Amino acid sequence: DQQVKQNSPSLSVQEGRISILNCDYTNSMFDYFLWYKKYPAEGPTFLISISSIKDKNEDGRFTVFLNKSAKHLSLHIVPSQPGDSAVYFCAASVWANDMRFGAGTRLTVKP
Amino acid sequence: EAQVTQNPRYLITVTGKKLTVTCSQNMNHEYMSWYRQDPGLGLRQIYYSMNVEVTDKGDVPEGYKVSRKEKRNFPLILESPSPNQTSLYFCASRFLGGYEQYFGPGTRLTVT
Repeated sequence: DQQVKQNSPSLSVQEGRISILNCDYTNSMFDYFLWYKKYPAEGPTFLISISSIKDKNEDGRFTVFLNKSAKHLSLHIVPSQPGDSAVYFCAASVWANDMRFGAGTRLTVKP
Repeated sequence: EAQVTQNPRYLITVTGKKLTVTCSQNMNHEYMSWYRQDPGLGLRQIYYSMNVEVTDKGDVPEGYKVSRKEKRNFPLILESPSPNQTSLYFCASRFLGGYEQYFGPGTRLTVT
């Protein structure tokens, strides 16, 4: 029962363009959402998060959008850089418990 | 430096040979957990602990054991490993009530 789904296993974009990574969820009780970035041979690292009471959160080149009615969130990276090439995991949680992760999207940013 | 460490990083073993993967954090986090990452399935929680001597099952606990005798350590024990436990394992920690988890570098386990 995958409550958090990342339907695109991979995404390739050109350096300088926008990267949009998508995530869908099924549990309407999720109240907090996070994105993690993972480089090869390293553990995931926290990137950005959003509470369910907001619909947008920005941190530099990274913006997360939340559409609660559609149960959908997205991560926008503008402009994309080659160093952004990594696997991105979407995660969702209810009251800081029972965090669920998506399967991940591998982003490749081409110079 | 704030970190979560895991050992070993790589392990190849045979079916049935007991093994332990250690995890240690230096951030005084109450909450620690173990995940396994498999292709197409993302990160699935095996066990978690909300504090010393308090542990509970995650989504995929079968075949694993954990203990939390000290706040900083949370070892994962495979009493009788099987090939379906071949996976990439991550330990993580955070403050209780917080959301952001800090992950270790991972342990790639192969069971033949």
